[in-house]
Amino acid sequence: ETGVTQTPRHLVMGMTNKKSLKCEQHLGHNAMYWYKQSAKKPLELMFVYNFKEQTENNSVPSRFSPECPNSSHLFLHLHTLQPEDSALYLCASSHLYGGRTGFDEQFFGPGTRLTVL
Amino acid sequence: AQKITQTQPGMFVQEKEAVTLDCTYDTSDPSYGLFWYKQPSSGEMIFLIYQGSYDQQNATEGRYSLNFQKARKSANLVISASQLGDSAMYFCAMREGTGNQFYFGTGTSLTVIP
Repeated sequence: ETGVTQTPRHLVMGMTNKKSLKCEQHLGHNAMYWYKQSAKKPLELMFVYNFKEQTENNSVPSRFSPECPNSSHLFLHLHTLQPEDSALYLCASSHLYGGRTGFDEQFFGPGTRLTVL
Repeated sequence: AQKITQTQPGMFVQEKEAVTLDCTYDTSDPSYGLFWYKQPSSGEMIFLIYQGSYDQQNATEGRYSLNFQKARKSANLVISASQLGDSAMYFCAMREGTGNQFYFGTGTSLTVIP
């Protein structure tokens, strides 16, 4: 496989469930990101991992718990979510986070469409 | 203040015509990069084109070109010879030299009419 993959592609869960989203990148990148995309809102950066270390947590509620066991894998553990958490969750990776500004695009996965009932 | 502003929630263009998608940005950092992404209904964000703040010429990639007007802080995407497959959401994004975070706009939905 190539690029950035995400599983599952669709997820429906109740508010009391615990589930995990998985992201894997095959690009040799060092930085990985979780974004939340809700309708009619800009993409919201949730977490950033750089060389497996969390470098950004943009005031995300504790019901979202990230895990980065290595530079290629990123998880988002979900528990006791709310209906307003329903959104498309996008994972991305890039070569480096915190490096010189320049052509360092982020490569995105296809996203997980999450519905919280 | 919004870092990236896209004022066109929806746009329509006739097939084979050109279309311009607007993007303005706000930063005091002299070093930054501007990106455009395409998001089809499948959800994946696809990188289209990049413009660096110090680049002297407007970026071009095939049918995509970026109309970079630094003094106006605008980075409009021009798609020439529109195709039906261009129908998608388009997002403008910026990465600042010091902050390193990507800031995205709210997107523009483009529909190409046959």
